[in-house]
Amino acid sequence: AQSVTQPDIHITVSEGASLELRCNYSYGATPYLFWYVQSPGQGLQLLLKYFSGDTLVQGIKGFEAEFKRSQSSFNLRKPSVHWSDAAEYFCAVGPSSGAGSYQLTFGKGTKLSVIP
Amino acid sequence: EAGVTQFPSHSVIEKGQTVTLRCDPISGHDNLYWYRRVMGKEIKFLLHFVKESKQDESGMPNNRFLAERTGGTYSTLKVQPAELEDSGVYFCASSQIRGGLRTFGSGTRLTVV
Repeated sequence: AQSVTQPDIHITVSEGASLELRCNYSYGATPYLFWYVQSPGQGLQLLLKYFSGDTLVQGIKGFEAEFKRSQSSFNLRKPSVHWSDAAEYFCAVGPSSGAGSYQLTFGKGTKLSVIP
Repeated sequence: EAGVTQFPSHSVIEKGQTVTLRCDPISGHDNLYWYRRVMGKEIKFLLHFVKESKQDESGMPNNRFLAERTGGTYSTLKVQPAELEDSGVYFCASSQIRGGLRTFGSGTRLTVV
């Protein structure tokens, strides 16, 4: 069965510091990969996605993620964090083929706090 | 374009009562998904509609949960009778293409006391 592991429940960084949120997945085939962000009182917003091609993908708000097949990882990075990045971040995987279920499998989320 | 709309945004009900959550997808999106996040746990898939048909309801926890999408537009998720463990945030999402990029709503926070 597919699963997503986000090993860090809560991370605190200083504004301006770099950020890396970890995500490892277990999936039977090459999945589609996503990072979502949820700010307080808001819905889930898509930050970026990987479907195929270049393993380094760029997203909104200055975020990027790198797909490493050998490590089954899809870590999210940002070179300089802003106070407005404080939110909860979710990694998710979904099927890349058209067969079967179209459900996304999410990790438990990583809550990011930013110190001014 | 309007996004995915969910209401109510919050609901507090007593154990044993009935609650109905509503989701209005983006216009033209045939695919509608329900997810739920119980406190401290993962966001879990509940079910997937294609138009008015249930494509996949493998995530529905038990028969106290009933989802409908009459006419293939908005969807409702009814919990009857509600139990304490049903508390959580219920998200709805929609997509134009089956399995395509999903737009999520803001969620309904359900508290059962």
